[in-house]
Amino acid sequence: AQKITQTQPGMFVQEKEAVTLDCTYDTSDPSYGLFWYKQPSSGEMIFLIYQGSYDQQNATEGRYSLNFQKARKSANLVISASQLGDSAMYFCAMREGLNNNDMRFGAGTRLTVKP
Amino acid sequence: NAGVTQTPKFRILKIGQSMTLQCTQDMNHNYMYWYRQDPGMGLKLIYYSVGAGITDKGEVPNGYNVSRSTTEDFPLRLELAAPSQTSVYFCASSYRPEGGPLFFGPGTRLTVL
Repeated sequence: AQKITQTQPGMFVQEKEAVTLDCTYDTSDPSYGLFWYKQPSSGEMIFLIYQGSYDQQNATEGRYSLNFQKARKSANLVISASQLGDSAMYFCAMREGLNNNDMRFGAGTRLTVKP
Repeated sequence: NAGVTQTPKFRILKIGQSMTLQCTQDMNHNYMYWYRQDPGMGLKLIYYSVGAGITDKGEVPNGYNVSRSTTEDFPLRLELAAPSQTSVYFCASSYRPEGGPLFFGPGTRLTVL
């Protein structure tokens, strides 16, 4: 069964607008971590933001925020004030349990920012 | 700090050939990982290591081997390359497993013909 589901293969957003990239996850472990990575066309993987399952508040990092809805098992990434440089693939990932070295990735969402 | 470096950047192999993908990190991270990314897909874990001398299999280990003789280096060995191993290979490291993000290398694009 898929552990991480990203249902939007592609998204478009107008420059300076906000966009939400969806991510749902599946786990029965009460302890887990959720991550978002950006992969520009150059190919490198860039860590954006992290949310722990016990964190009370939604994570934020600059223009990135994570809309964490634990009961719905969703961890959507919100990018505010989109910039042309935000055009990239975005991957949601999860690591279950403590000391678990297997980080599972979703299939990704390709975001295109239009000028 | 160079972070995580990988060599080569690109490689074309013939079926049945072998090669080693090199990975080095200078962040003194204990945890290191090898992932592969097939076209249009997310990443899948091949092997990982929690420290020098300790390695373990991930989700897709068949056809690969690893070693970890030092904290810095974590080479990935492909024996008897097959077309199914055509992929982009990423090495990554982290300072702790829980909550710690992975720091990725630039990737190696491998084609097996």
